[in-house]
Amino acid sequence: EAQVTQNPRYLITVTGKKLTVTCSQNMNHEYMSWYRQDPGLGLRQIYYSMNVEVTDKGDVPEGYKVSRKEKRNFPLILESPSPNQTSLYFCASSLLGPGGGEQYFGPGTRLTVT
Amino acid sequence: GQQVMQIPQYQHVQEGEDFTTYCNSSTTLSNIQWYKQRPGGHPVFLIQLVKSGEVKKQKRLTFQFGEAKKNSSLHITATQTTDVGTYFCAGPLIGWGGGADGLTFGKGTHLIIQP
Repeated sequence: EAQVTQNPRYLITVTGKKLTVTCSQNMNHEYMSWYRQDPGLGLRQIYYSMNVEVTDKGDVPEGYKVSRKEKRNFPLILESPSPNQTSLYFCASSLLGPGGGEQYFGPGTRLTVT
Repeated sequence: GQQVMQIPQYQHVQEGEDFTTYCNSSTTLSNIQWYKQRPGGHPVFLIQLVKSGEVKKQKRLTFQFGEAKKNSSLHITATQTTDVGTYFCAGPLIGWGGGADGLTFGKGTHLIIQP
């Protein structure tokens, strides 16, 4: 089954404790991205990757890092989480990139930073 | 900067009534996508429009892309409880090199249906 998986689905952590949210897709997609969703603000892009070892900042990259060492994986790293990073995070992938068609979204990771 | 604005933010309808959400971009879009997110779920792709003036239908859903490719709409005829959710439009962000760098989403329209 074609899918995007994220782990963990729920996470409660404390300020400053480094964490990684994993994202994996099994569709051989080149383009992957991370979004955060906050009430009233919709979906905002954090980082995206056009291919292996190619990453770039989206609208709200501050406080986040990503890496793309393999085509299927695109982890999101919060080196020193802060309460304002409490949010719902979605990973997405697509075959042709942002202008080229359907984005497949993962199930989401709900992060709470206290 | 490039923005995609969507209205209304919330729409309450009685079951069986029609629903429309509108999307406007500050710049011309090469294409526009529409997504639906059910409560507690993740966004799911509905459709992509590419051509100026394009109209596409999916059962009770009608999608339009404006002639100037700066606006779009989604119309649902005779809403059903299964239509509940948030509808987002999204357009590609154009980078300095002229290519699509990312995707910018409207803030979404929450459709609430009263039986």
